[in-house]
Amino acid sequence: DGGITQSPKYLFRKEGQNVTLSCEQNLNHDAMYWYRQDPGQGLRLIYYSQIVNDFQKGDIAEGYSVSREKKESFPLTVTSAQKNPTAFYLCASSDALFNQPQHFGDGTRLSIL
Amino acid sequence: SQQGEEDPQALSIQEGENATMNCSYKTSINNLQWYRQNSGRGLVHLILIRSNEREKHSGRLRVTLDTSKKSSSLLITASRAADTASYFCATDAGQGGKLIFGQGTELSVKP
Repeated sequence: DGGITQSPKYLFRKEGQNVTLSCEQNLNHDAMYWYRQDPGQGLRLIYYSQIVNDFQKGDIAEGYSVSREKKESFPLTVTSAQKNPTAFYLCASSDALFNQPQHFGDGTRLSIL
Repeated sequence: SQQGEEDPQALSIQEGENATMNCSYKTSINNLQWYRQNSGRGLVHLILIRSNEREKHSGRLRVTLDTSKKSSSLLITASRAADTASYFCATDAGQGGKLIFGQGTELSVKP
């Protein structure tokens, strides 16, 4: 079945540590996105990518980094510069940038140890 | 402030009743999308309605769009316990077409 796979489902970060969240899709979509969701809130855009080797900052990119070396993969690194990383992180993909329905993974819940 | 704001924030109904959720937005849009999120899961796309459309149906879902009032509504008819979830509207806010999500309506359908 086609879809988006996020791993791990739960992740714990120690102070001063960088952690990387994985996102893989087999939908052959060009566009991929990372969102952050805090309790009782909507989604906020962290980074997005329209094509391999290109990505753009979203609304809350500070303290995060991404890469897009393959069409299928869009990993997100939460760096030690992100002082409040505890949140639910969602990866999504779509056929074209923004104007199409987005398909979501099941998220990674990141907590601080 | 939010581009898309859902109303009500929470809704509790009995199985078989209809559920109506509303979304208001501030700027012109190309399209508006509705998504569902079950607890602890990712979002699932329900319906996309374009700015030149007024109504769209999908199974038990009916979405309306009133661009003059900058508002949309999602109606779920004959609700089921399995419809219990959070529902989000998302609009392309004109900021490079990025999707802006509202804070969601939490729907609880009691059996």
